[in-house]
Amino acid sequence: NAGVTQTPKFQVLKTGQSMTLQCAQDMNHNSMYWYRQDPGMGLRLIYYSASEGTTDKGEVPNGYNVSRLNKREFSLRLESAAPSQTSVYFCASSETGAFSNQPQHFGDGTRLSIL
Amino acid sequence: QKEVEQNSGPLSVPEGAIASLNCTYSDRGSQSFFWYRQYSGKSPELIMFIYSNGDKEDGRFTAQLNKASQYVSLLIRDSQPSDSATYLCAVNLQGANNLFFGTGTRLTVIP
Repeated sequence: NAGVTQTPKFQVLKTGQSMTLQCAQDMNHNSMYWYRQDPGMGLRLIYYSASEGTTDKGEVPNGYNVSRLNKREFSLRLESAAPSQTSVYFCASSETGAFSNQPQHFGDGTRLSIL
Repeated sequence: QKEVEQNSGPLSVPEGAIASLNCTYSDRGSQSFFWYRQYSGKSPELIMFIYSNGDKEDGRFTAQLNKASQYVSLLIRDSQPSDSATYLCAVNLQGANNLFFGTGTRLTVIP
């Protein structure tokens, strides 16, 4: 049972390039999330999807877009990468209802550097 | 005031001792509290979670909630070197569509 799978694990981009981070979960969870983690800042929510077909902004959505492709998959897109988006990105999922009492389970992360 | 605050540490304890980690939160109405462990370069791993109705013990780990003072604690008994990691506290604030994370406390268990 893989849990939450993120691809790629590492990526280096140049300023202005675009890319999509992929996330898939096999736990039949309804809710999925994208976070970024920066030193001294903790985990910050970028976007979330409470259920298939819905997406909502989190704390730091600027510069990102998301797509909930189906129940399993939730992608994060950087349209025009900026150095400030250099970070570690984590995808997470939870069983029911965004920010309900259900715990979130995290993928291994994508380490993204933008030059 | 941040929604969730943790002392960044580092907190050093000798092997076999009790490690006590604290986390304060801003919203008195918060109802669910999560503790994650994160090894360097790895993803957060859920250790345990509690709701506003009580504490929980799971093996060497105990999570305790003090609603009056708005903090939640994680106690690690018989600390082992393998417990050395950063511990993240997360709180589901009432009415907020977000799970707020603290910046984490780095724990070092000295053999």
